[in-house]
Amino acid sequence: SQTIHQWPATLVQPVGSPLSLECTVEGTSNPNLYWYRQAAGRGLQLLFYSVGIGQISSEVPQNLSASRPQDRQFILSSKKLLLSDSGFYLCAWSYRPYEQYFGPGTRLTVT
Amino acid sequence: GIQVEQSPPDLILQEGANSTLRCNFSDSVNNLQWFHQNPWGQLINLFYIPSGTKQNGRLSATTVATERYSLLYISSSQTTDSGVYFCAVGITGGGNKLTFGTGTQLKVEL
Repeated sequence: SQTIHQWPATLVQPVGSPLSLECTVEGTSNPNLYWYRQAAGRGLQLLFYSVGIGQISSEVPQNLSASRPQDRQFILSSKKLLLSDSGFYLCAWSYRPYEQYFGPGTRLTVT
Repeated sequence: GIQVEQSPPDLILQEGANSTLRCNFSDSVNNLQWFHQNPWGQLINLFYIPSGTKQNGRLSATTVATERYSLLYISSSQTTDSGVYFCAVGITGGGNKLTFGTGTQLKVEL
């Protein structure tokens, strides 16, 4: 069966510091991968998605970037965090074209 | 892009009651999912239902794609049903992206 991992589970970072969130999927190959952000407990917003290694599509212009260095690894990064980057970050995978499955998420607080 | 509206935004039920949650979407879709977000934030897949009717225990869902809506039925609600229910829709081409509604916050009381 497939499993998806995210770490860290929680993170408190000062404004201006860098960010790296990691997501890995086990039990499948060549999945679609996604990063979402949820603010204030409602409404997930798609940030990035990837259909293959090195292929990244950005949905919302922002202070963040994504990379996919390996088939089942998806990384969300920032060089300098802003207060507005606080939120709940969720990674998801799908074996196209079917349903998406979500990881446990990372709660990021920028202070 | 596709617009997704969910109703009601908030719902309080007594344990044992039944409820219906609605999801309206603005364009044709071929991917529709219902999720339950528990108090810890985990999104749990309930149904993948781009059309038709499915049932899983006390939960069932119906999607009428031609009329652009989906319904989630919860019967004999329990306190563990509390949380936020999301509908998400998409087109399977172009990355299989999902657009989420703003959710229905459900609280089930004893």
